[in-house]
Amino acid sequence: DIQMTQSPSSLSASVGDRVSITCRASQNIGRSLNWYRQRSGKAPNLLIFAAASLQRGVLSRFSGRGSVTEFTLTINDLQPEDSATYFCQQGFTAPYTFGQGTKLEIK
Amino acid sequence: EMQLLESGGGLVQPGESLRLSCVASGFTLSGYDVSWVRQAPGRGLEWVSTINARGSDSEYADSVKGRFTISKDNSKNTVSLQMDSLRAEDTAMYFCALRHRGSDPSFKWFDPWGQGTLVTVSS
Repeated sequence: DIQMTQSPSSLSASVGDRVSITCRASQNIGRSLNWYRQRSGKAPNLLIFAAASLQRGVLSRFSGRGSVTEFTLTINDLQPEDSATYFCQQGFTAPYTFGQGTKLEIK
Repeated sequence: EMQLLESGGGLVQPGESLRLSCVASGFTLSGYDVSWVRQAPGRGLEWVSTINARGSDSEYADSVKGRFTISKDNSKNTVSLQMDSLRAEDTAMYFCALRHRGSDPSFKWFDPWGQGTLVTVSS
């Protein structure tokens, strides 16, 4: 199975800041990497697919980049509603594994 | 608006069975692959199973293979997950989601997700 490792596991930032979350795959997955946001008690929702493609309706404050084994999600101009847990997921091959999550707190 | 609604969760004892359903509204499931993803309390996300659009092919995580069966009834706009021989470690919120493929078949992602149904396996 492909292992997905996110860092950091948690972070705290202020409104207006920019933050980045890293996701590393245990083997080459090309650009088959997706990012989800999960607010407390809610279902995940897709932010970025294929490493860098912004899902329809997602604000351009969110961006993704990377390939092969290293990927980054960047959130610009943090807002209070960005408080959530963020997960990466590889869609390269089954089983479709997720990172362990990064909990983002907005101060 | 495309929406998925799960049902069928509940409290069962180890070894018992449960059948989850995922109903689509606002669109027809016949053109989509559908997946189940679960999340144990306070834990991360684990892909469980996927069935293709026609309902003719399915895949499973090793942790559920041989115990869970996914099926699709396009006439009822529903996907089901039959869960047998349940274990305590199957306790989780179960989400259904559409699985999309990109122009490159190695690109797959899940969107949208239903709100989930909670399965608790405990004696």
